[in-house]
Amino acid sequence: AQKITQTQPGMFVQEKEAVTLDCTYDTSDQSYGLFWYKQPSSGEMIFLIYQGSYDEQNATEGRYSLNFQKARKSANLVISASQLGDSAMYFCAMREDGGATNKLIFGTGTLLAVQP
Amino acid sequence: SQTIHQWPATLVQPVGSPLSLECTVEGTSNPNLYWYRQAAGRGLQLLFYSVGIGQISSEVPQNLSASRPQDRQFILSSKKLLLSDSGFYLCAWSTIGADTQYFGPGTRLTVL
Repeated sequence: AQKITQTQPGMFVQEKEAVTLDCTYDTSDQSYGLFWYKQPSSGEMIFLIYQGSYDEQNATEGRYSLNFQKARKSANLVISASQLGDSAMYFCAMREDGGATNKLIFGTGTLLAVQP
Repeated sequence: SQTIHQWPATLVQPVGSPLSLECTVEGTSNPNLYWYRQAAGRGLQLLFYSVGIGQISSEVPQNLSASRPQDRQFILSSKKLLLSDSGFYLCAWSTIGADTQYFGPGTRLTVL
């Protein structure tokens, strides 16, 4: 069965520093997708970044980058130059492939606190 | 551009009462639609998904049901709420064949 593991319940980072949020996954599929979402206290899930299993380059979106290590089955999120507004829950997710459903499996999340 | 709406934003209901949560998507046609539930301090659990009008797949047997009466409308219902139905309910959409799901603002349900 497919599974996403986020081992860091909470993280602290100083403003303007970089932080890495860990995510490992388990799947027997050859084709899959990995996502990171941000959930601020308002509750809305905000899409941050996507990495396809066949993508050779690590995905980047502004201050977000995804450190994809396929052999280790890890997809860590790196946030550079942290800002106070980055304080939120962060969820790693994996898309189950096959068919048109695009179902996502989520990890339990990491609560990031950015300190001034 | 596409937008997704959910209402109500918050809801407090007694045990045994019915439930109807609505989700609508604008700016796209024939989307895949999803209902997730998030218990306090937990990740998201997929409840239902739909690839078209009238087509509903259930992921977890439970007290809830879903319907898709129109292409861009997805409804989550219950005939009798349980305490365990409390949580944060999120609707999401994606384009068929595309990778990313986009979420609505959510409904916070408290069953007393």
